[in-house]
Amino acid sequence: AQSVTQLGSHVSVSEGALVLLRCNYSSSVPPYLFWYVQYPNQGLQLLLKYTSAATLVKGINGFEAEFKKSETSFHLTKPSAHMSDAAEYFCAVSDGGGYQKVTFGIGTKLQVIP
Amino acid sequence: EAQVTQNPRYLITVTGKKLTVTCSQNMNHEYMSWYRQDPGLGLRQIYYSMNVEVTDKGDVPEGYKVSRKEKRNFPLILESPSPNQTSLYFCASSPRQGDDEQYFGPGTRLTVT
Repeated sequence: AQSVTQLGSHVSVSEGALVLLRCNYSSSVPPYLFWYVQYPNQGLQLLLKYTSAATLVKGINGFEAEFKKSETSFHLTKPSAHMSDAAEYFCAVSDGGGYQKVTFGIGTKLQVIP
Repeated sequence: EAQVTQNPRYLITVTGKKLTVTCSQNMNHEYMSWYRQDPGLGLRQIYYSMNVEVTDKGDVPEGYKVSRKEKRNFPLILESPSPNQTSLYFCASSPRQGDDEQYFGPGTRLTVT
């Protein structure tokens, strides 16, 4: 069975500060990993995904994530937070290719303080 | 415009009154899925479908039914809704699954009294 743990359901950062959102996963096979963002009153949209190519993945809006197999982690970072980054962020894992389930974490709400 | 649509967006109903939430995608995607989002629990998968006439249970299927008679549509049916099904529901689709991005609908907020 696969699972995702997001540490910190709420994270606050100052505008311009580093954003770090943590995600740890468990999977019995090499996983596919995703970060999605949800703005208020909207559906989820993909920020970035890891599919066994480069371990450092760059996404939209200046976000990136690094896949670390030894730590079973896929933390999301952004060097400088912007007010528009305030949203809820979800990490998700899928066990390999083909038609498999996707498991989401509980989400982390990011607050950006001016 | 490529999109996933859901209807209705908001629904208030009473316990036991059957309802259907529709989901449609115009991207010719094979894979479709339903999730519910609850505070502190994130997104939990209800059912998914790998293609027409092929569906399978997700993590929380109890009290829900689905069908996939056409590739573009994947309705969610609550035959006898209960208050614990009050939630925010999302439909999603992707070309297949595994490493593919899922495209999400705008959500349906359901309240069961």
